[in-house]
Formats: sequence, structure tokens, C-alpha cells
Amino acid sequence: QQQVKQSPQSLIVQKGGISIINCAYENTAFDYFPWYQQFPGKGPALLIAIRPDVSEKKEGRFTISFNKSAKQFSLHIMDSQPGDSATYFCAASMESGNTPLVFGKGTRLSVIA
Amino acid sequence: DTAVSQTPKYLVTQMGNDKSIKCEQNLGHDTMYWYKQDSKKFLKIMFSYNNKELIINETVPNRFSPKSPDKAHLNLHINSLELGDSAVYFCASSHGQGLRSGANVLTFGAGSRLTVL
Repeated sequence: QQQVKQSPQSLIVQKGGISIINCAYENTAFDYFPWYQQFPGKGPALLIAIRPDVSEKKEGRFTISFNKSAKQFSLHIMDSQPGDSATYFCAASMESGNTPLVFGKGTRLSVIA
Repeated sequence: DTAVSQTPKYLVTQMGNDKSIKCEQNLGHDTMYWYKQDSKKFLKIMFSYNNKELIINETVPNRFSPKSPDKAHLNLHINSLELGDSAVYFCASSHGQGLRSGANVLTFGAGSRLTVL
């Protein structure tokens, strides 16, 4: 059973455009939703995260939008740059701890000039 | 200084062999993990240790045996390697228990690519 469903699998965006990656979760007990960024040959690294008490969180060009009733959250990358080309993973977990992050299947983003 | 370091970075071996991957973190974290990333990039938790004690053991064949000699190290030993074990294995660490202490903020190593022939 896949607890976090991520789409699209791959995405090609023009430089300067907006990249949007969507995730949906099933477990209503999840209360922490991070996004990880992975470059080729590297491990994933935390990019931005949100808790369900807010509907949006912005850090620079990266924004998470969160819809608790729909059990969905998305990552928006404004003014996408070639350096943003990477694989992005959404994830979810519970605050209670001792529960591992559950990752989506990843989205390979390519930003072309 | 590398925060989470794994060795070896690449490992090519024959079916049936036994191999180990080592992981060390210098972040002072007390929870460490092993994740498996398959050819389709899917990341799946295998094990989690907190202060040298096993706290998560997902459905992983018992050919995989993690060992944590201290809270800064979590090694992965794999017996009787099979073709399906080919993947990139990531070690990660986090601090504390519970979200507020950052337990779910994972720092990953660079990965160890295992190829079984």
C-alpha cells in the first residue's frame, strides 16, 4: 500500500517557468510533510517542510501548498533554473516519532534553457 | 567534514557473496537509518536504530543484518547476495525522538551503489 502518491513521474520545464509537483497521502495521522531534493550521485537533502497548521510555506523560490481536507500537498518552484534539475521526493510522517518518513516515488525535474 | 559518510561508494560482486556497507555520522545524532533506492528511484526504509537499539525493521529478508556498535555507526551486512539486491543503499541520521526535536529531519549519506552480477 503506497501511503504517499506523487506525480508526475517526470517533468520538463523551460527556464523561468513554474515547476509543480503534487503529492497525496492517505493516513490522516500524518502531520509533517517535507520535500527532499536529490542530485545525481548524491543523497536526498531536505529542501522545505510544512505542518498542517498552515496552508502555505514559502522559502525563496520554493513554496509548499497544503490542502488538509483533500489530503494533498504540492511543491511549486518559481522561476525554475537549470540548477534546479534534480529528483524531488515528497514525504510524510507522524510527530509521535519512531515512525519513519514515508517517501513518494519521486519526480525527475529537468529545467531546460 | 562529511556529515554522514558511507563506504564503499561502489560495490560490484557476484551472486551468493557476502558484503558489508559501513556508515558513520559525525552530527551527534542518535538515530540512524538504512534506506534502499531501486532503479526507479523509489526510497524505502529498511532499518532504523536509536542509540544502538533497533526500532524499525521493515519487511526485509533476514539476509540483511544491521549492526550498530555505537550511536555514530550503523553498518549493513548482506549475506548470500541476490540479483534483486542491486540498488543504491543510503544511510541517514536524525536527532532525537519526536518531531519537535527534529527526529524526522534526515541527513543522508551519498549512497553506496551495489551491483550483483
